[in-house]
Amino acid sequence: QQKVQQSPESLIVPEGGMASLNCTFSDRNSQYFWWYRQHSGEGPKALMSIFSNGDKKEGRFTAHLNKASLHVSLHIKDSQPSDSALYFCADMGYKLTFGTGTSLLVDP
Amino acid sequence: EAAVTQSPRNKVTVTGGNVTLSCRQTNSHNYMYWYRQDTGHGLRLIHYSYGAGNLQIGDVPDGYKATRTTQEDFFLLLELASPSQTSLYFCASSSGTGRGDTLYFGAGTRLSVL
Repeated sequence: QQKVQQSPESLIVPEGGMASLNCTFSDRNSQYFWWYRQHSGEGPKALMSIFSNGDKKEGRFTAHLNKASLHVSLHIKDSQPSDSALYFCADMGYKLTFGTGTSLLVDP
Repeated sequence: EAAVTQSPRNKVTVTGGNVTLSCRQTNSHNYMYWYRQDTGHGLRLIHYSYGAGNLQIGDVPDGYKATRTTQEDFFLLLELASPSQTSLYFCASSSGTGRGDTLYFGAGTRLSVL
């Protein structure tokens, strides 16, 4: 069974700072990854996807995938208080598997 | 924006009680899912369906039944609720399971089993 482990469990960054979230997966056949974001009191919402090795940038958000090391990361530049949320990485392969989550707090 | 509506938003029951959680999507999506969210475990898939009358087992199905009555409606049933089923439950839908398919989640149902 695919396991997706996220680190750190929680993270505090100052407003304007860089937040780095990490995700390690166990299935070498995994190919398709998404990042989801969940604000308090809401359901998760898709943030961005990454399917190929390397970086993918969307505005302030950059995802990185390294299939050889079974690692996915998300970097948020110029963090804003509105970025405070729970972040999940997800393997959208055969069995949809979400990670354990990272709670991000951006301190104004 | 795709719409997924869950009811009730909050539910309290006693051990051994029967609970039905409801989910309706108006996105014309084929796939619907039930997840539970617990601190330290993230989101775990209970059951999912790819159409009316279809049911697929997820990763944590024990103690749960599900039924997809129409394309729009997906229900999660707890027939003998236990305190271990106290959790935040999410329903989601998607048009498919391809790499580009996004899951659209409802707002969640918080269930407490006393």
